[in-house]
Amino acid sequence: GENVEQHPSTLSVQEGDSAVIKCTYSDSASNYFPWYKQELGKRPQLIIDIRSNVGEKKDQRIAVTLNKTAKHFSLHITETQPEDSAVYFCAASTDSWGKLQFGAGTQVVVTP
Amino acid sequence: DGGITQSPKYLFRKEGQNVTLSCEQNLNHDAMYWYRQDPGQGLRLIYYSQIVNDFQKGDIAEGYSVSREKKESFPLTVTSAQKNPTAFYLCASSIVGTGVYEQYFGPGTRLTVT
Repeated sequence: GENVEQHPSTLSVQEGDSAVIKCTYSDSASNYFPWYKQELGKRPQLIIDIRSNVGEKKDQRIAVTLNKTAKHFSLHITETQPEDSAVYFCAASTDSWGKLQFGAGTQVVVTP
Repeated sequence: DGGITQSPKYLFRKEGQNVTLSCEQNLNHDAMYWYRQDPGQGLRLIYYSQIVNDFQKGDIAEGYSVSREKKESFPLTVTSAQKNPTAFYLCASSIVGTGVYEQYFGPGTRLTVT
């Protein structure tokens, strides 16, 4: 089955700097790659996703890139703010309808 | 607050007891999922269901059981056979169509078994 690895497990950045989280996946048939943000004590929420027919997608300060050949995708957060502090999960799906395999998560801490 | 609810927020049980976690959604979603979240391990899929009266095992189904008698409800029972049941349990739902769609998560139930 699909295996998703996520790095780093923790990331500390200064406010205003950029943060990058990388994930690799094992199944070349994976076609959907969402990123979820989970604030402390809250439910995970989708922040951005990308499908396999697209190489990059951007939404304000957040962007995701996908390299299908290398089987990895990355989350980029620019101009980080304290409210970006959270755990971020990547995921991949090979199913045609919705089953996801999640990475282990990255704890991002933005320090003022 | 999202349309998907879980109850209770905190649950305490003695070892050897079965316990059922509730998950209800009013989003009219066909698919529902149960995940277990442990520190440093991400979200692991326990069971999932695409349609009423049908469900499949996920990656860590041993010691758990589910039912899907109604579209809106997908309760999870943690049985005494689950060796390490203390964890944070998340329920999610999504639409089913052509392609993969966003999963909406409930607020979670933190289960402590002593």
